[in-house]
Amino acid sequence: GAGVSQSPRYKVAKRGQDVALRCDPISGHVSLFWYQQALGQGPEFLTYFQNEAQLDKSGLPSDRFFAERPEGSVSTLKIQRTQQEDSAVYLCASSFLDILNYGYTFGSGTRLTVV
Amino acid sequence: AQKITQTQPGMFVQEKEAVTLDCTYDTSDPSYGLFWYKQPSSGEMIFLIYQGSYDQQNATEGRYSLNFQKARKSANLVISASQLGDSAMYFCAMRDGAGGTSYGKLTFGQGTILTVHP
Repeated sequence: GAGVSQSPRYKVAKRGQDVALRCDPISGHVSLFWYQQALGQGPEFLTYFQNEAQLDKSGLPSDRFFAERPEGSVSTLKIQRTQQEDSAVYLCASSFLDILNYGYTFGSGTRLTVV
Repeated sequence: AQKITQTQPGMFVQEKEAVTLDCTYDTSDPSYGLFWYKQPSSGEMIFLIYQGSYDQQNATEGRYSLNFQKARKSANLVISASQLGDSAMYFCAMRDGAGGTSYGKLTFGQGTILTVHP
């Protein structure tokens, strides 16, 4: 596609429910990042994929968070047993190359609200 | 560790005037890149401008320019001739040198909300 597509756009989950957030990057983009953006804050890094390999998951806040990109294209961020503090916008970004001055394309995000 | 600081939670500007949004950064990596993004209320992150740590000239992109002062570790965004559509949240972000274990992830500041008045 022309841009990075994220779905669903909005998700309301009851506390304790599992959720899955999807990111469809630009075709051919090697690098894929997930960020978490709390209300009124800047995005914070969660995890990074280079093709299908998850090379950095240091930003995942707990073992309830899990991300995968099995075929090196679409990625899914899964949150198990959601908590209220998980409420945030989850942004996905992709990039063609891992070069310093090569920009990212961000999706519009998934706004997760845990009630 | 990298850090980006945006000290202006909110800024107001009159339409057609220029405005400067402040950004300071801290890194021990000699090679890094600085980005500015615009995030309207719809939520998407829109890339505005990029400055590399070794670039000799300040970056410019249309009405956007970056006032890069390396010794002071500042990378302020200047928007000239503000328009009503410029009202949004603006984020400064830094990407450290690719390679090693960094993978070029972005570190963002807290953001500045810009409101343009008619």
